[in-house]
This record gives sequence, C-alpha cells and structure tokens, in this order.
Amino acid sequence: DAMVIQNPRYQVTQFGKPVTLSCSQTLNHNVMYWYQQKSSQAPKLLFHYYDKDFNNEADTPDNFQSRRPNTSFCFLDIRSPGLGDAAMYLCATSRAPGEANEKLFFGSGTQLSVL
Amino acid sequence: AQTVTQSQPEMSVQEAETVTLSCTYDTSENNYYLFWYKQPPSRQMILVIRQEAYKQQNATENRFSVNFQKAAKSFSLKISDSQLGDTAMYFCAVNDMRFGAGTRLTVKP
Repeated sequence: DAMVIQNPRYQVTQFGKPVTLSCSQTLNHNVMYWYQQKSSQAPKLLFHYYDKDFNNEADTPDNFQSRRPNTSFCFLDIRSPGLGDAAMYLCATSRAPGEANEKLFFGSGTQLSVL
Repeated sequence: AQTVTQSQPEMSVQEAETVTLSCTYDTSENNYYLFWYKQPPSRQMILVIRQEAYKQQNATENRFSVNFQKAAKSFSLKISDSQLGDTAMYFCAVNDMRFGAGTRLTVKP
C-alpha cells in the first residue's frame, strides 16, 4: 500500500511554463519535505513543512514555492521552469523531529523534463 | 546546520563478501539521529538503518550494521554477505534530513 504518493511519475513542461507537482500521504505525518535530485547527485533539500510552518532552505531559488493546504497534501510549484530545473523531485514525510522511530518515508518521485 | 561527508564516490564488492561505507558528520547538537538510505536504480529511497546518538550500542538490521564512533563523528555502514540486490547508491544523513554526496556501490557476481 502506497503511503507517500507522487503524481505524475513523469511530467513534461515547457521552458517558462508554470508547473505543479503533487504529493499526498496516508501516514498523518507532521513533516513533509521536497527534494530535488539531479542525475548522479544526492537529493538536495528544497524546503519542508512542519505542520503548517514552512521552512525554506537558504539556497532554494525563489522560482520554487510550496503549499500545504492540509496534513495530507503538499505541492511544489515551479513558477518559471528553466532547463536547469529538469530533475527528479522527491517528496518525503516523517513524524515530528526527535520522535521515536523518526525516519523518512519517500514517494516514488516525479521526473520533470523541461523542453 | 549539520554537514555530512561521504568520501567514497564509488565502491565495488564481490557477491557474498563484506564492504564498509564511510560517513563523517559535524553537528552541534547533543542528541541526534543518523541514517543510511539506499537508492537502487528504481530511485526509490529506502531506509537501511538508523542510529540514535545517545545509544552506545551499534544498530544492526540483518546483514547491515553500523560502526558509530561518536567522538570521531563517524558513522560507517557495514554490509555483510553482499547480494546483487545491494547494488545501489547509499546516502548518509543526520537528523536534519540533509544527505551526504552518496556512495555508489556495485556488487559483482
């Protein structure tokens, strides 16, 4: 049973055309994360939500935004995708930091192509 | 913020043998957690093992174990009896969920 669901698996967008990636979870976890992973590189943390509190990484471009309308859903908005934004985008969830058995649960990712 | 360093970009091991992947970190926190994640070619990230820094005993999960040296800020992963399915990228992380650069492990038949 999928617990962290990312749709779609593959997304194609045009240069400069806004795109939204979605993530949902059935785990009722407090924290949701978005990572960007380019080929042969480590996942790079873009931002995370702790409940409704948004935490942006210092080096995340302004082009990337996120929304979390409720516990279950989190969206990644790329306002004006550039060729350099083509990557795998991974969503992950976890319980509150420091809780017992805290760990990341990952979705399968969305592979974004920018034409 | 924590920093995580994985100094071995690539490693290989023969099937059934043992391999150790290294990870060092820096943190100012007194209590923290350390993680090893595996990412096979499918790119699905999977938790391999988790260590709580306040526990002296090294974590083990079947063929996977860690050598946690708190004073040295070292957290290595040992894979025993390597299997072909262990071929993957391995990432180390400290509890702020930022990853090291990764080690690509290839298990050879």
